[in-house]
Formats: sequence, C-alpha cells, structure tokens
Amino acid sequence: EDQVTQSPEALRLQEGESSSLNCSYTVSGLRGLFWYRQDPGKGPEFLFTLYSAGEEKEKERLKATLTKKESFLHITAPKPEDSATYLCAVQAAGTYKYIFGTGTRLKVLA
Amino acid sequence: DADVTQTPRNRITKTGKRIMLECSQTKGHDRMYWYRQDPGLGLQLIYYSFDVKDINKGEISDGYSVSRQAQAKFSLSLESAIPNQTALYFCATGQGSYEQYFGPGTRLTVT
Repeated sequence: EDQVTQSPEALRLQEGESSSLNCSYTVSGLRGLFWYRQDPGKGPEFLFTLYSAGEEKEKERLKATLTKKESFLHITAPKPEDSATYLCAVQAAGTYKYIFGTGTRLKVLA
Repeated sequence: DADVTQTPRNRITKTGKRIMLECSQTKGHDRMYWYRQDPGLGLQLIYYSFDVKDINKGEISDGYSVSRQAQAKFSLSLESAIPNQTALYFCATGQGSYEQYFGPGTRLTVT
C-alpha cells in the first residue's frame, strides 16, 4: 500500500538552530514528491517538487533532497517566520492520486 | 487576486441540511480536486475532475457530490450534512501530474 510518513510530528527550534524534517514514502514507482508549507487556517502553499533520487531543490533557508526511500527538508538558520506545518506528498506512477503525510509542525522561537 | 478562491470561508449548518461549497480558479488548470483535512490526519481526497466531463470519486466520497460547471469552477455538495463532516475543506488545482495549488479553505461546522 502506498504510504507517506513524516517525522517528527512537532519540532521546536531556537532561531538560527538548523534542523531537518523527514518524509519516508512507500510507493510503487514514484512520479513526484512534493513539499508544501501550511500556515494555521490557510491552504497549503507549494514549495518544491522532486522527481528522482539525488535531486535537490533550494529556496531561501529551505533545501529539499530525495533518496529512493525518503526526502528531507533541511532548514538552515530558521527564523520565527518559518514557523508552520510542512506537508509532504507523493504521486505514484500511473495514478491520479497525491498521498499526503500528516505533516511536521515547526515552531521557531525568537 | 488569489488564483484559487473558495466560498464561503466559514459556515455553520445544522444536521440534515444541504450545503454547497464553491471553488473558482484563474490558473487555467484542467484538473481540480476537493480535499478535507481533519486534525492529525493527512489531506483526504473527496473527488477530483480532469475536465468538465470527467469526474471521479476519491477515497472518501460517501455523503458528498460534486459539479464541474466550467473549467474554472468546481463545487462540492453535502446532500444531508452530519456532524462528522465537520472539517476544513480545500479545493486544489493542477495541470497534469505536477504540483497542486490550494485555495484558502472553508471551515465547515455541522451541529
């Protein structure tokens, strides 16, 4: 069964304290892996798409990487405005579906 | 203006009432989706549409119906609302098998 698991569920960091969020997936052929940011009461906002193992994408303090089993979202020197829930989703080859993880709630303290 | 809009943004309704949630997009995407989000759960797909004449059930379609009135409009209806349909509802659009773009959400409460 296709599955996405994100860890940790919640993470508290001090401002400037770098860390990584994990997204482990099991799919029968990966078409794409997607990272989103979701602020409370708002819709998910697209961040990155990764298609193949070894691929990396960067945007400001965020960097996403992909292996055959998992993806990491690295946050370098985070700021309080990076506080949000980060969602990971995968799309399996040959399907219409996007399978979402339950997210990691990140809190960055000033 | 937002690319994906949803109305209403908040709605409180009573058990047994029929309610419609509306979604419009200006991105020109062919695919539109309806999801619900509950605390502690991932986004769950209710219905999706690849074009005006192509509508498909998702994982949790029971108790819901949809209408694709135009390429840019996709409505979700709860025929007879029940309390366990209380949730945050999101519309999303996409082009092909690429990233999705989400609306701001509708917070629905069924009493």
